[in-house]
Amino acid sequence: DVKVTQSSRYLVKRTGEKVFLECVQDMDHENMFWYRQDPGLGLRLIYFSYDVKMKEKGDIPEGYSVSREKKERFSLILESASTNQTSMYLCASRRQTGGYTFGSGTRLTVV
Amino acid sequence: QKEVEQNSGPLSVPEGAIASLNCTYSDRGSQSFFWYRQYSGKSPELIMSIYSNGDKEDGRFTAQLNKASQYVSLLIRDSQPSDSATYLCAVNVGGGADGLTFGKGTHLIIQP
Repeated sequence: DVKVTQSSRYLVKRTGEKVFLECVQDMDHENMFWYRQDPGLGLRLIYFSYDVKMKEKGDIPEGYSVSREKKERFSLILESASTNQTSMYLCASRRQTGGYTFGSGTRLTVV
Repeated sequence: QKEVEQNSGPLSVPEGAIASLNCTYSDRGSQSFFWYRQYSGKSPELIMSIYSNGDKEDGRFTAQLNKASQYVSLLIRDSQPSDSATYLCAVNVGGGADGLTFGKGTHLIIQP
């Protein structure tokens, strides 16, 4: 089975801190995605990548950036964390077609 | 604007009955359709995918797609308490790298 690993399950950061969320997949998938999930708003796409060093903005990229230096790793960066970025962050990967495999998620709290 | 609509529920179904979950989507160019199950505090898990009109069955689950009506549904037969979860409908317009658009999910409760 494909495994998507997110480095932290729970994270608490202070306002203004730079935050790195890491995601690694082990099945050589081309496509990787970052979503955030909030009550009442559902899953919203932040950024995605279809190849190494390639990135595309999703629906809500403001305040975030990403990095994909290796095929298996896709990092989400909060340049200056704010309280409205408190959320569950979900990484996913897949081949060119088909459904996603999600990581277990990172619940980020910004205080 | 790509939109995927689901009734948020909760949808309450007696144990052993059929649970019917519905989803509509706005973009006629959508080509791939998925159902995910999400338990509270956990990440979504893919349970069904469907790409062409008609029914697709996998165990107790049946996905139904009607592209003309822009409608996709999930039937769960012989519902069990362990099926209680939020079910997310997701749609992919076109193929390949674009991200899925998710509905907000339907909260399903199976009553013992």
